[in-house]
Amino acid sequence: DIQMTQSPSSLSASLRDRVTITCRTSQNINNYLNWYQQKPGKAPKVLIYAASTLQSGVPSRFSGSGSGTSFTLSISNLQPEDSATYYCQQSYSAPRWSFGQGTILEI
Amino acid sequence: EVQLVESGGDLVQPGGSLRLSCAASGFTVNTNYIHWVRQAPGKGLEWVSVIYSGGDTYYADSVRARFAISRDNSKNTVYLQMDALTAEDTGVYFCAREMATISSSWFDPWGQGTLVTVSS
Repeated sequence: DIQMTQSPSSLSASLRDRVTITCRTSQNINNYLNWYQQKPGKAPKVLIYAASTLQSGVPSRFSGSGSGTSFTLSISNLQPEDSATYYCQQSYSAPRWSFGQGTILEI
Repeated sequence: EVQLVESGGDLVQPGGSLRLSCAASGFTVNTNYIHWVRQAPGKGLEWVSVIYSGGDTYYADSVRARFAISRDNSKNTVYLQMDALTAEDTGVYFCAREMATISSSWFDPWGQGTLVTVSS
């Protein structure tokens, strides 16, 4: 199974800051990496798919990069509504999907 | 509007059974891949199962032989039959549609989730 490791597990930042969340995989997954945002009591929402493609309707403050085994989600100009938990997900080994353990972002 | 709505979550005793439903609107389940993902209280996301448009089904090791995914095309609904439940199955269960391009796939949309509690 492909193991996924996110870092940091939590972080605190200020309004208008830029933050970066990292996701590393135990084997090469090319660009089969997605990022989701989840707010308390809500379902996850896709932000980025295929490592760097912004989902329609998602603010351009969000961006993704990486390939192979190392990926990043960057959020610039942080806003209060960005407080959430962020998860990476790999689809390389579908149907055996897996998620990272999550990163809690506090603004 | 493309939407998924889960139902069927409840309090059940260890060893018991439960069937969850995932009703779709705005698209047909039999031409899409539909997944179940769960989230234990305060924990991360865990993929559980998928049913493909052709009918093939797959399961996480943690639920194989205890859970069964199926669908009713006439009701445009996907089900998750859960048997031999344990406390480790407690959590919110989400269904989600798989979207795909030639080189990638992801989950969108997700339902709002339904809570399963396994406790005596």
